[in-house]
This record gives sequence, C-alpha cells and structure tokens, in this order.
Amino acid sequence: AQSVTQLGSHVSVSEGALVLLRCNYSSSVPPYLFWYVQYPNQGLQLLLKYTSAATLVKGINGFEAEFKKSETSFHLTKPSAHMSDAAEYFCAVFSTSGTYKYIFGTGTRLKVLA
Amino acid sequence: GAGVSQTPSNKVTEKGKYVELRCDPISGHTALYWYRQSLGQGPEFLIYFQGTGAADDSGLPNDRFFAVRPEGSVSTLKIQRTERGDSAVYLCASSLEYQETQYFGPGTRLLVL
Repeated sequence: AQSVTQLGSHVSVSEGALVLLRCNYSSSVPPYLFWYVQYPNQGLQLLLKYTSAATLVKGINGFEAEFKKSETSFHLTKPSAHMSDAAEYFCAVFSTSGTYKYIFGTGTRLKVLA
Repeated sequence: GAGVSQTPSNKVTEKGKYVELRCDPISGHTALYWYRQSLGQGPEFLIYFQGTGAADDSGLPNDRFFAVRPEGSVSTLKIQRTERGDSAVYLCASSLEYQETQYFGPGTRLLVL
C-alpha cells in the first residue's frame, strides 16, 4: 500500500531564506506525487505534481520539487521565503490500488519570520 | 470559471442530530470525492463518485455516513446520529475525469457538541 511521510510538523524560516519541506513516499509502483498548500480557512490548492515526466517539477509561487527514486523522496523547495508562504503544506500520493484517491501526509505548517 | 463550492461553511450541531453537507463540483467534472480532515491530520478519503454512482465508499467510517449524487453533479454527504468524534473539516474535490488532478473546495467545518 502506498503512503507518504512528512518529516517535521512545523517548520520556521526567516523571510528570504530557503524553504525545504520534506516528503518521503512508499510505493511499489511508479507513483504520482503532489504537493498542496492550505491557507487558513481555505481549501487545498495544487502547488505542483509529478507524473513520471521530468524529475524536477516547477510549480506555482516559485516552488519546485525533485523526485528522487533512489531516496523515495519528493521534497518541496523555494529559494527565498515570503511572508505570504505561511500556510500548511501537504504531500500526497495517488493510490493506484483500487480507486485513484489521494493518500495525504500529515502536513507541515510553515511559519515565516520577519 | 467557478471552483468547487461547499455549503455550509460551518455547521454546529448536537450529538445525535442529523446533518447534510453539500458539494457543488466544477461544471463538467465527472469524478467527485469526499475527504475528512481531522485536527492536525491530512485529509482522509471517504467516498468517490463517477457520475451518479458511488464507485468506492471504502473510506466511510460506518453506516451512519452516506452520500448521494443523484444527477451526477451536486453531491450531499449525510451523517446520521452525529457523534463528537465526527467533528472535522469535510472536503469535497472534483476532477474532469477519473485519474485526473483533483480540485478541492473550501470545506465544511462540522462541530458536534
């Protein structure tokens, strides 16, 4: 069965600093992987997705993620944090056993310090 | 175009009461999903509709939960005899076709007192 693990439920960075949010997946087949962002009292917004094309995926708002099969990782990065990046971030894998439904990690809350 | 909408945005009810949560997907999207997000957790799958039929309801926690999509568009999640443990944010998502990226609504925050 597929699963994702997000290391660090809370991450704090200074404005302008590198953002690194970690996600590791478990899958016996090539996975489809996603990062979503959730702002307070809002729904999940797709940041980027990996669907077995290029291993470096660029998303919205300057975020990108790199698929590393050898490390079973799909970490999210942004070179320079902005105050508006403060939100909760979820990594997800598409389950391919049965229904194509998302399996989400537990989320990482990003705090950006002025 | 309009995104996925959900009503109500907040619902407070008493233990034992019946509630209905509504989801209006993106027009033309054939697949519709319900997820539940408890405090401090990621969303968890509840049920998936392809058209009017529930193709997978394996995530529904028990028989107090039921969902319908009678005309293949709007869906209603129904919870009978609510319990305090049902308190969570209920998220709806839709996708153009099966296996496509899902787009989420803002959720309904349910509080059972």
